[in-house]
Amino acid sequence: NAGVMQNPRHLVRRRGQEARLRCSPMKGHSHVYWYRQLPEEGLKFMVYLQKENIIDESGMPKERFSAEFPKEGPSILRIQQVVRGDSAAYFCASSPQGREQYFGPGTRLTVT
Amino acid sequence: GNSVTQMEGPVTLSEEAFLTINCTYTATGYPSLFWYVQYPGEGLQLLLKATKADDKGSNKGFEATYRKETTSFHLEKGSVQVSDSAVYFCALAGGGSEKLVFGKGTKLTVNP
Repeated sequence: NAGVMQNPRHLVRRRGQEARLRCSPMKGHSHVYWYRQLPEEGLKFMVYLQKENIIDESGMPKERFSAEFPKEGPSILRIQQVVRGDSAAYFCASSPQGREQYFGPGTRLTVT
Repeated sequence: GNSVTQMEGPVTLSEEAFLTINCTYTATGYPSLFWYVQYPGEGLQLLLKATKADDKGSNKGFEATYRKETTSFHLEKGSVQVSDSAVYFCALAGGGSEKLVFGKGTKLTVNP
């Protein structure tokens, strides 16, 4: 059983561009979570999704950030008009309902 | 709201030394508690967990006991190895939410 897959692993964007981060959960997992890790800090929750539904987006910035988990395909975290402060590692985790979360390797976003 | 406070590092030990990383939490109800480990350039791996008071989680020689009276979940290992060098995160989930709340992480370096 393959683990949580994230791509790309590294992403460089200029200020003002869009960033799209993809996450494929483990087989059989219907719950996806996105976390952000700023340099020298712990992980901060962003959003929790199930197939076609956003369950909790209390950690998402109000502007420029959006997430989806369509019926088919990976979950997408989209950041529009990126700024330097968006530079961070973005981790996706998946779980079967009500159980521990398994993390992907992360996407390291650098905004120049 | 829920929060986790863990011992700040960095921590540097010699091989075979005893390790303790302190973690305390604030939460409503009865949270589940976790320790995750992050090796350089990688995602988080679940190290151990405990879901109720007095539970002891253990894995790879690491242990932590869920202490409700002191709201603590300290990580211990009797004899560390160079390969244990990593960043360790304490986390909780609870209060009706599945999202994980993380401490800031403790960087451990073990020297031969």
